[in-house]
Amino acid sequence: GENVEQHPSTLSVQEGDSAVIKCTYSDSASNYFPWYKQELGKRPQLIIDIRSNVGEKKDQRIAVTLNKTAKHFSLHITETQPEDSAVYFCAASRGSNYKLTFGKGTLLTVNP
Amino acid sequence: DVKVTQSSRYLVKRTGEKVFLECVQDMDHENMFWYRQDPGLGLRLIYFSYDVKMKEKGDIPEGYSVSREKKERFSLILESASTNQTSMYLCASSLLQGPGYTFGSGTRLTVV
Repeated sequence: GENVEQHPSTLSVQEGDSAVIKCTYSDSASNYFPWYKQELGKRPQLIIDIRSNVGEKKDQRIAVTLNKTAKHFSLHITETQPEDSAVYFCAASRGSNYKLTFGKGTLLTVNP
Repeated sequence: DVKVTQSSRYLVKRTGEKVFLECVQDMDHENMFWYRQDPGLGLRLIYFSYDVKMKEKGDIPEGYSVSREKKERFSLILESASTNQTSMYLCASSLLQGPGYTFGSGTRLTVV
């Protein structure tokens, strides 16, 4: 089955800096890669996703890049703010309607 | 606003008890999923369902079963609860064509 590795497990940045979280996947048939943000005590929420026919996608301060050849994808957050502090999970699946395999998560702390 | 509702936020059960965790969605979603979330291990898939009365094993089905008698309801059953099943349990749903999951708020189960 699919295996998703996520790094780093913790990341601490100063407010205004950029943050990058990286994931690799093992199943070459995977073609859908969402990112979820989970604030403390709350449910995970989808923040951005990318499909395999696209190399990059942006939504305001967040962007995701995908390298299918290398089987890795990354989340980029620019101009970080304290409210970006949360656990971020990457995931992969064979389609947006298929089961997701998640990475182990990254705890992002943005220091004021 | 779409909703996935889990019946209990916190639950304490004794070893050997039969435990039912209930999840209801009001979005007419075809797909429903049960994950458990543990620190350092991320979200791991227990069972999922693409249709009424249909179920498929995820990555860690041992010790669990599920029931989907109606489209909107997906139940997770711990046949004989054990202490290693102490965890946060997250239910999610999605449309057959995606995208992404909507998660419930989670049930924190403690088995003593």
